Amino acid sequence: RKEVEQDPGPFNVPEGATVAFNCTYSNSASQSFFWYRQDCRKEPKLLMSVYSSGNEDGRFTAQLNRASQYISLLIRDSKLSDSATYLCVAPRDSSYKLIFGSGTRLLVRP
Amino acid sequence: DAGITQSPRHKVTETGTPVTLRCHQTENHRYMYWYRQDPGHGLRLIHYSYGVKDTDKGEVSDGYSVSRSKTEDFLLTLESATSSQTSVYFCAIGGGNYEQYFGPGTRLTVT
Repeated sequence: RKEVEQDPGPFNVPEGATVAFNCTYSNSASQSFFWYRQDCRKEPKLLMSVYSSGNEDGRFTAQLNRASQYISLLIRDSKLSDSATYLCVAPRDSSYKLIFGSGTRLLVRP
Repeated sequence: DAGITQSPRHKVTETGTPVTLRCHQTENHRYMYWYRQDPGHGLRLIHYSYGVKDTDKGEVSDGYSVSRSKTEDFLLTLESATSSQTSVYFCAIGGGNYEQYFGPGTRLTVT
């Protein structure tokens, strides 16, 4: 089992739709998780941090399910500008190293 | 945006030549990281630093070395570049809460 696993997509949705991505992780001791957004040929940018059961920021909601070892990212009212690759990230251990998933690609169409 | 820059932004070099990439930060963060990103592999850690002169290997460190003589600078050296090292290289910084912030990347092509 990969340490962090994501569905690569692409998820192709119309503007205004709600879309959700799941990500599974293998290290049950992990306490904090992150979602990064990466645009084509750009650097990853931190979108949300998830330290407890979940986090909400505007149209974006991240939830953590420790029992099943997955985190999810929900995007409501999708915008064209949300088109990007979303990376799920978990700590590798206590040394401040991170494990990045391969990413889920989102395409929002007009 | 975090104050982090990388140089050069693009480089083409020949097989067998040494190459040094530079990462510079103005945030005074303790942790610095070098990653490479390739299609089908995602981001993979090459080396990281947890302080001046304190560095350690990541998961794909073979053929790479690093140095950190000042808090703000983290250098990545390809000792003898090979075609398999053609990639996009990202530097990241972190303050110790696991959050990392990335530089704009360096596109390296080894011919």
